[in-house]
Amino acid sequence: ETGVTQSPTHLIKTRGQQVTLRCSSQSGHNTVSWYQQALGQGPQFIFQYYREEENGRGNFPPRFSGLQFPNYSSELNVNALELDDSALYLCASRGPANTEAFFGQGTRLTVV
Amino acid sequence: AQSVTQLDSHVSVSEGTPVLLRCNYSSSYSPSLFWYVQHPNKGLQLLLKYTSAATLVKGINGFEAEFKKSETSFHLTKPSAHMSDAAEYFCVVSDDSISGTYKYIFGTGTRLKVLA
Repeated sequence: ETGVTQSPTHLIKTRGQQVTLRCSSQSGHNTVSWYQQALGQGPQFIFQYYREEENGRGNFPPRFSGLQFPNYSSELNVNALELDDSALYLCASRGPANTEAFFGQGTRLTVV
Repeated sequence: AQSVTQLDSHVSVSEGTPVLLRCNYSSSYSPSLFWYVQHPNKGLQLLLKYTSAATLVKGINGFEAEFKKSETSFHLTKPSAHMSDAAEYFCVVSDDSISGTYKYIFGTGTRLKVLA
């Protein structure tokens, strides 16, 4: 087990709606990243948060946003959902002494 | 810019035979490289990592990988495949070009099938 948990595990939303995905990291892991994995592809970096501030972003529009909280939990918010947002969303956390990221099991989002 | 190329999208081996999953990387500086495994409907599990120490890296479940700078390769091997090894494998390079941003760049994945 990686100590990173995500909720919910599955979610179905309608195009145009908004969604919030949640992640709980290990205590002390002050860096959290989010990735989008479309079917049959490798994960793509969405953004990273460090000490509650976004400090890195991939090629995703502003309707993808996030929050990180002092209790090592974090959120990924997606507004105005599109069909192409259907994917597995992965949360990854890292502590200051780690060279690798620890991934959660993901949230499968389906947009209909 | 950093990138990785996984040379095979699918690999099939018989149980008990060796496994070779190929990965080439591109990096403007000494990279950090990883192999992750993803079982169906599961998250990503770290198999092994290279972070500029020994070039032959041993991981979990009998997997190992060798960092070859001259060939820009980081191939994953296992001497004897087990049925439980059937999964998707991702080669990953860490893009640390922006200080404090540990962005992972994933390959497209190799699906390993193990035949009984």
